[in-house]
Formats: sequence, structure tokens, C-alpha cells
Amino acid sequence: DAGVTQSPTHLIKTRGQQVTLRCSPKSGHDTVSWYQQALGQGPQFIFQYYEEEERQRGNFPDRFSGHQFPNYSSELNVNALLLGDSALYLCASSRDSFGEETQYFGPGTRLLVL
Amino acid sequence: GENVEQHPSTLSVQEGDSAVIKCTYSDSASNYFPWYKQELGKGPQLIIDIRSNVGEKKDQRIAVTLNKTAKHFSLHITETQPEDSAVYFCAASDNAGGTSYGKLTFGQGTILTVHP
Repeated sequence: DAGVTQSPTHLIKTRGQQVTLRCSPKSGHDTVSWYQQALGQGPQFIFQYYEEEERQRGNFPDRFSGHQFPNYSSELNVNALLLGDSALYLCASSRDSFGEETQYFGPGTRLLVL
Repeated sequence: GENVEQHPSTLSVQEGDSAVIKCTYSDSASNYFPWYKQELGKGPQLIIDIRSNVGEKKDQRIAVTLNKTAKHFSLHITETQPEDSAVYFCAASDNAGGTSYGKLTFGQGTILTVHP
């Protein structure tokens, strides 16, 4: 059973550019959450997708947007990149069923903005 | 919103000793508390979790305790081994409107080093 996969593993961009990160959830999962993890800190919640809709959002600007596809995979888009967007971006999947909140994380995409 | 505080930030123990990491949370509506282990260059891996209707849960050398009244929960690792060395994160689930959407609020992390 494949776990959560993310692509690419590493990415280097320059300020002002746009980036798209991708995530495939664990088999049987229908909910995808995205987190940003700055160096030496805990992950911070960006948003969560369920049934192709953004269901909940953390304190991130509109430059951060996402999408969920019918096969439950998801994309995270960041526009107008800033130096401070450099971080590890983590995708986590889960099942939308009470009592099954466990989120399983992928290996992450490390983004460096120069 | 929820705020999770984690202590200590670093913990160094000898192989075979026990390690304890403590977290406090602010939102009394939180009802799910997972612990993750993150090794260098990898994503967080769930090691144990507990729900608010349970006071303690154990899985081999790992145990978690929850005190809902005091709003704190702790991770206990017994008989530590060098491969337990990693960064450990506690988290609390934010129940939006009473449904379990599963937004996790993480603590700042604890760097655990187990010396052989």
C-alpha cells in the first residue's frame, strides 16, 4: 500500500515566481491537508481539501491556493514567491470519518526561494 | 485559535533511560492529540495518538497520558535506543464547529538525542 507521495522533492525558485507542488494521498483517503514547516519549527496548517473544496484555511495569504482533483490528489500553488516562503511543504492525507482523524504525512517538498 | 506549547526543546538521555516530553494546549474543544517523530530529511511519522475520552494509551515502549482538566498531555519513551533520536512533535486537533476536520496545531518540537 503506497503511502502519501509528493513531487517534486526539491525545488529552487526566484522571488516573484510561481510554484506548484503535488500530492497523492494514501489509498482510501479522501482528505488532503497542506502544511508549511520552516526550519527548526513545527508544521503550520495552510489549508485542507475535501470533496474538491477548500474546507478550512489557516493564516496564510491568498498567494497560497490549492486544488483537489476527483481522484483526491491535490496541488498547492504559491504565487509571487517571497524569500520567506522557503520551507518544507508537507502534505497529509486522512479519511473524513469521525474517529479516523489520523493524518499521514508525505516526505515533503523542500522549496528554496532565492 | 488553538495554541500548543511543547517542552523541553532539547532532551539528551543515555541509552536505556526514559524520556518524557510535555505539551499543553489552550482550546478545550480539542479532542485528538497525536505525536509525530520526524527524522532528518523526512516527513513526520505518527508514533501514537490519544483521544480525549481516554486518559492513557500505551504501545510497547511508548505511552501517552492526557489530563483534560489541566489541558496537558505527555509522551513517555522507556528503554530508549539510539534509533529513537529524532525530533518529536505533539499536536492537537482543532474541532471546527464540532466536526472533526482534523486541522492539526503543532508544538515547537523536541530534539531527542539518545547516547549509546
